This record gives sequence, structure tokens and C-alpha cells, in this order.
Amino acid sequence: GAVVSQHPSRVICKSGTSVKIECRSLDFQATTMFWYRQFPKKSLMLMATSNEGSKATYEQGVEKDKFLINHASLTLSTLTVTSAHPEDSSFYICSARDPSGSGETQYFGPGTRLLVL
Amino acid sequence: DAKTTQPPSMDCAEGRAANLPCNHSTISGNEYVYWYRQIHSQGPQYIIHGLKNNETNEMASLIITEDRKSSTLILPHATLRDTAVYYCTRSYGGQLTFGSGTQLTVLP
Repeated sequence: GAVVSQHPSRVICKSGTSVKIECRSLDFQATTMFWYRQFPKKSLMLMATSNEGSKATYEQGVEKDKFLINHASLTLSTLTVTSAHPEDSSFYICSARDPSGSGETQYFGPGTRLLVL
Repeated sequence: DAKTTQPPSMDCAEGRAANLPCNHSTISGNEYVYWYRQIHSQGPQYIIHGLKNNETNEMASLIITEDRKSSTLILPHATLRDTAVYYCTRSYGGQLTFGSGTQLTVLP
């Protein structure tokens, strides 16, 4: 299957700082990428849909000014958690939609574990 | 409003077939059924997807009922490394909604 990378894999930061997470599709071009968060022992929750060259679409309850998404190229989307607080600690996972083939399959990155102290 | 319903957990003996059911009774005609699995602390791994017909790849088989209201993922010869949470999802317009999934434990 297609490969999606995320960087960093884990990050620890102080409360009040900003953290940027990168998501890259390595072997296909993705006009659409998605950002999810996952709390321990819970399922994935979609945060936002990132479209190349346009503004992201946020799910209800997700603060767009806190979770900044930029999708500047067909292979890169970034999620910036601004002024992070301990409650933002979570597992953040991106996916990229492969437009080829049937169904437009989403392939997921390995995830980024964020710990805010 | 759960879009898919799966049993919370299942066990399977190593080397035997694992059959994971999923109910998606409200699925619409143009929605695909997707299966992913997630091993602890990793991103979900794509397994297989289908629309109407049964599908098979190197990882698994997907059996979709004729009315499309349910499906079964089959891992033909489960190994210990298949222990994971398996998610059955529906995709329309590229968006996926994840339910609670099934924790499959393969026993030696």
C-alpha cells in the first residue's frame, strides 16, 4: 500500500508553546489529507479535512485557531497546535487520500504522540 | 448514531481463520466498506475495501452480503501479529468515521 509519513513521532513540550506536526504522502499525490486525534483506549476522531491550496474544513467542536492546518503542496500537510496545554496531549494521526483506484483509499501515517507538560 | 457496529472483542487460535463481523445496515448505495486495523500506538493500517462484490487480497478477504447491510472480514490463517483493533468503516466522499472496532486477540 501507499506510504504516509509523520514527523515527529513523539514530542514533549511546555505549556504555552506551539508544536508543528508534518504529514507527507511519499509515493502519491494527495489533494486531500485528514487529521485525527485519539485518546487512550478510544477510537479515532476526525479533527479536520485538509485540502491542497484551500482552507481546511474543521469538525464541530474543533477550534480552528488552535489547530492550524496548512496543505501547501500535494504531498505535505502540517498541523500546528498553538499555545498547547496539557489537555491537548494526545495521539495525532494524519491520513492521505489516494485518488487512484476505486474508493479513494485513505492511508494513515504512524502517528505523533504529543505530551504537553 | 453508530454508522457501523462491531463486537468489542474476539479471540482466535493461531493458525485458524478469524472472521470479524460488521453491521452497516444504513449504508447507502455509493458508500464503500473499508477495513483497517490498528496495532497499539501505531497508525491504522489499510486492509481491504469493497462496494458490492466480495474482495480478496494478500492480507484478507471481505465478504459483503447481497443487501450490503453487513460484511465479514476474514483473516485466513491468523498469526500472533494479527492481534490488533480492527475497524470497519464506511466511506463516502473520502471521509471515514471510525467506531469502537473489535479487539482481536490471537492466542498461541
